Amino acid sequence: GAVVSQHPSRVICKSGTSVKIECRSLDFQATTMFWYRQFPKQSLMLMATSNEGSKATYEQGVEKDKFLINHASLTLSTLTVTSAHPEDSSFYICSAIRGPDTQYFGPGTRLTVL
Amino acid sequence: GESVGLHLPTLSVQEGDNSIINCAYSNSASDYFIWYKQESGKGPQFIIDIRSNMDKRQGQRVTVLLNKTVKHLSLQIAATQPGDSAVYFCAENMETSGSRLTFGEGTQLTVNP
Repeated sequence: GAVVSQHPSRVICKSGTSVKIECRSLDFQATTMFWYRQFPKQSLMLMATSNEGSKATYEQGVEKDKFLINHASLTLSTLTVTSAHPEDSSFYICSAIRGPDTQYFGPGTRLTVL
Repeated sequence: GESVGLHLPTLSVQEGDNSIINCAYSNSASDYFIWYKQESGKGPQFIIDIRSNMDKRQGQRVTVLLNKTVKHLSLQIAATQPGDSAVYFCAENMETSGSRLTFGEGTQLTVNP
């Protein structure tokens, strides 16, 4: 199946710092990628839709100035958590669309903010 | 808002038995459904999908059934193996919402040897 990677897999940072997470589609091009967050023992919550060459579309309640998304190429989308705080600690997962509408997910990034 | 829900949060089965994981959805406009498997600390893995013009689809050891009348989706796993232990999510999509998915709450499947 299609391969989507994320980097880093784990990150620990101090409160107030910014963290960048990369999402790459390794064997296909993706004009659309998605970013989700997942708290322990909960489901995936869609944060935003990342569109190559245009602005991301954020879900209701997600602060666009806090979660910066850049989709500069057909294989890379980045999520930057700015001024991270402990409540931002979560599992962040990206996905990329291949074909008409099948989403393939990355392995996730565990963010811990101290 | 409308949501996708699951009847059982946990399911425990014996190795070799068949497993059935259920999902209820409330959005009648949804026309595409997917089952994902998520192992601890990993991203969701695509298992099988089905469109609303079908009521059954089979894969390798898995079958998805769709009952649009009662808005119910199920995933059947034949001869369940310990490696099948994971959280299973159903997700729904409406063509009008692009490729955005709404995920259900998830069911933890535990396979006992």
